[in-house]
Amino acid sequence: AQTVTQSQPEMSVQEAETVTLSCTYDTSESDYYLFWYKQPPSRQMILVIRQEAYKQQNATENRFSVNFQKAAKSFSLKISDSQLGDAAMYFCAYRRLGQSGGSNYKLTFGKGTLLTVNP
Amino acid sequence: DGGITQSPKYLFRKEGQNVTLSCEQNLNHDAMYWYRQDPGQGLRLIYYSQIVNDFQKGDIAEGYSVSREKKESFPLTVTSAQKNPTAFYLCASRRGGSDTQYFGPGTRLTVL
Repeated sequence: AQTVTQSQPEMSVQEAETVTLSCTYDTSESDYYLFWYKQPPSRQMILVIRQEAYKQQNATENRFSVNFQKAAKSFSLKISDSQLGDAAMYFCAYRRLGQSGGSNYKLTFGKGTLLTVNP
Repeated sequence: DGGITQSPKYLFRKEGQNVTLSCEQNLNHDAMYWYRQDPGQGLRLIYYSQIVNDFQKGDIAEGYSVSREKKESFPLTVTSAQKNPTAFYLCASRRGGSDTQYFGPGTRLTVL
């Protein structure tokens, strides 16, 4: 079974600085997707960024970027120029890719990292 | 506006009562999902549905039931068989062929 591990329960960063959140995963699959979701105090889950495992290029979305190391099974999220609105719980998630079917769209989540942004 | 709605935001029930949580989407998405979130835990999949009139158990389906009679709606019933029902429940949906799930605002269920 796939597992996702976020080893940092809490992180903090000064406004305008950069922070990196760690995520590792365990899988025997070669094709899969990885995601970072943000859960602000409103508790609604918001997709931040996604990465296809077959792509070597790291995904980037504005101030958010990932460092995807497939061999190491590592998928860290870098937030540049941190803003107060970035304060949230961040979840790393995994989904295997394969034949179409319901179970292959199942997301496996880590336990989350609570990010605090200090003014 | 298109989106996913969950109601109510907060729900209180007495122990032993069944309760149904609503999830509606007007995104024309084919697939819908129910997750449970507990403090210090990631989300865990309860049930999911790929198409109308079809659904499958997730990792923690015991004590829960669902129906999918309409594409737009995927209600979750928390039965008295669920041993520890107090939690935050999130509904999600996904367009067919897409790999991204979009989430509703959630329902906080407290069983007294």
